[in-house]
Amino acid sequence: AQSVTQLGSHVSVSEGALVLLRCNYSSSVPPYLFWYVQYPNQGLQLLLKYTTGATLVKGINGFEAEFKKSETSFHLTKPSAHMSDAAEYFCAVSGTGRRALTFGSGTRLQVQP
Amino acid sequence: GAGVSQSPSNKVTEKGKDVELRCDPISGHTALYWYRQSLGQGLEFLIYFQGNSAPDKSGLPSDRFSAERTGGSVSTLTIQRTQQEDSAVYLCASLWGTGGEETQYFGPGTRLLVL
Repeated sequence: AQSVTQLGSHVSVSEGALVLLRCNYSSSVPPYLFWYVQYPNQGLQLLLKYTTGATLVKGINGFEAEFKKSETSFHLTKPSAHMSDAAEYFCAVSGTGRRALTFGSGTRLQVQP
Repeated sequence: GAGVSQSPSNKVTEKGKDVELRCDPISGHTALYWYRQSLGQGLEFLIYFQGNSAPDKSGLPSDRFSAERTGGSVSTLTIQRTQQEDSAVYLCASLWGTGGEETQYFGPGTRLLVL
């Protein structure tokens, strides 16, 4: 069984500030971990993923995340927030390959000018 | 096409009516998934297709929900006798990659409102 916990349903940062969105997972098998972003009235867009290999993964739009097995975490960061980063962010976990994704409840990121 | 497409983009129906939602996956993607996104329940898995068969349909909430996939491509999700609690955004995803590189790519969703 797998589960994902995203701490903070809403996060507000100033433009140019560090973005940190938290994700902790539970998985009985080595996890595949994903961050997706959803803009209003749109589907989910993949930001980045960890499957195997390097634990620090870089994604689109300057985002990155680090897989920490000992902490069962996969937090998403971006050094400097942009107004265009305002969206909802979902962390997800799956088992090997073709398993369905289990999503966290999402974090809405607000960027203040 | 370039991405996963879904139709209709919006559907309003009356309680008790049947609805069909369509998903066109990215060409060549063999696996296809349906999810539901609702205010109360977040994002939930419904069913997964590998080719035309569904090895995992554990997320279908009731026997009013069914899905099929034909020709290893288009999939249809059918909800019979719709209820107000079926109101949600229904998302489809297709899968690319093998050997640890598997990634699901999502369509824009169908927003269903049951009156």
